[in-house]
Amino acid sequence: AQTVTQSQPEMSVQEAETVTLSCTYDTSESDYYLFWYKQPPSRQMILVIRQEAYKQQNATENRFSVNFQKAAKSFSLKISDSQLGDAAMYFCAYRRGSTNKLIFGTGTLLAVQP
Amino acid sequence: EPEVTQTPSHQVTQMGQEVILRCVPISNHLYFYWYRQILGQKVEFLVSFYNNEISEKSEIFDDQFSVERPDGSNFTLKIRSTKLEDSAMYFCASILWGREAFFGQGTRLTVV
Repeated sequence: AQTVTQSQPEMSVQEAETVTLSCTYDTSESDYYLFWYKQPPSRQMILVIRQEAYKQQNATENRFSVNFQKAAKSFSLKISDSQLGDAAMYFCAYRRGSTNKLIFGTGTLLAVQP
Repeated sequence: EPEVTQTPSHQVTQMGQEVILRCVPISNHLYFYWYRQILGQKVEFLVSFYNNEISEKSEIFDDQFSVERPDGSNFTLKIRSTKLEDSAMYFCASILWGREAFFGQGTRLTVV
């Protein structure tokens, strides 16, 4: 069975600094997708970034980028120039290619200090 | 921008009562999902729905739960006899195959 592990329950970063959130996953599949979702206090789940496993290039969305290490099954999220609005719970998620079901990690609560 | 809409935003119900949570997925999406998040815990998959039938369900999704898409737009989750442990945030999501999931804002269910 596929699993997703986020080993950092909480992280803190100073405004304008960079922070990296860790995620590892376990799968025997070769076709899969990885995602980072943001859950602010409003509790809505907002997609931050996605990565296809077949792509070697790391995904980037403005200040958000990932470090995808397929052999190590690692998928970390880097947030550059952190802003107060980035404070939220961040979930790493995995999806097997043949299904649309998401498997989530336990989340990392990010605090941004002014 | 199209969005998934869930109603109500908060539902309080007595233990043993039936509740129906409603979702309006994005109109051209084909796959629909319910997820649950117990307070402070991770988001868990409940059920997926495609072509008017359940395509996959988790062990959480027992006989107390049911889903349907009665009118081609709404997608509902029914809990027949609520238990205290059903208190959670329930998220609906929809997907156009192969793309990312779009989530609704969630329904907070409180069973008292």
